[in-house]
Amino acid sequence: DIQMTQSPSSLSASVGDRVTITCRASQGIRNDLVWYQQKPGKAPKRLIYTASSLQSGVPSRFSGSGSGTEFTLTISSLQPEDFATYYCLQNNSSPPTFGQGTKVEVK
Amino acid sequence: VQLQESGPGLVKPSETLSLSCTVSGVSFTIYYWSWIRQPPGKGLEWIGNIYHSGSTDYNPSLKSRVTISVDTSKNQFSLKLTSVTAADTAIYYCAKGGKNFDYWGQGTLVTVSS
Repeated sequence: DIQMTQSPSSLSASVGDRVTITCRASQGIRNDLVWYQQKPGKAPKRLIYTASSLQSGVPSRFSGSGSGTEFTLTISSLQPEDFATYYCLQNNSSPPTFGQGTKVEVK
Repeated sequence: VQLQESGPGLVKPSETLSLSCTVSGVSFTIYYWSWIRQPPGKGLEWIGNIYHSGSTDYNPSLKSRVTISVDTSKNQFSLKLTSVTAADTAIYYCAKGGKNFDYWGQGTLVTVSS
């Protein structure tokens, strides 16, 4: 299985901050990387697919980059509704595997 | 697109967990469909997927205990997980997609306890 490692596991930030989350794959996955946002009691919501394509309806402050083994999710200006847990997912090979999550908390 | 999980919320140890997912708002027969679970307070684990033809792919970590089936007449797919233990307590989600999930059900909590 491909292991996905996110960093940091958690971070504290303020509204308006630029936030970057990293996801590393244990082997190359081209650009087969998806980012999800999950709020308490809710299902994950897809934000980014194929590493950098913005899901329809998702604000443009969210962006993704990377290929191969290293990927980043950036929130350019954190908004109150962005406090949540973020997961990466590799869909290059089966089984698809998720990172362990990054919790973005209020500073 | 809507997905809705249904099934018992409590299962006894060693018994079989059974859930169904009903899909609406999209053509059922042109997509793969998956089950994903999340233990309370923990991360996400893909369980397996199915195509309308009945072709399946399972996570090797659960393969010996999992069966996913499909009923295209009802736009439904189902999960069976045998010989459950407390470690199988989780929120179970159904989702659209085989390895990349764009729509999810709301999730259903299944607790394994006697």
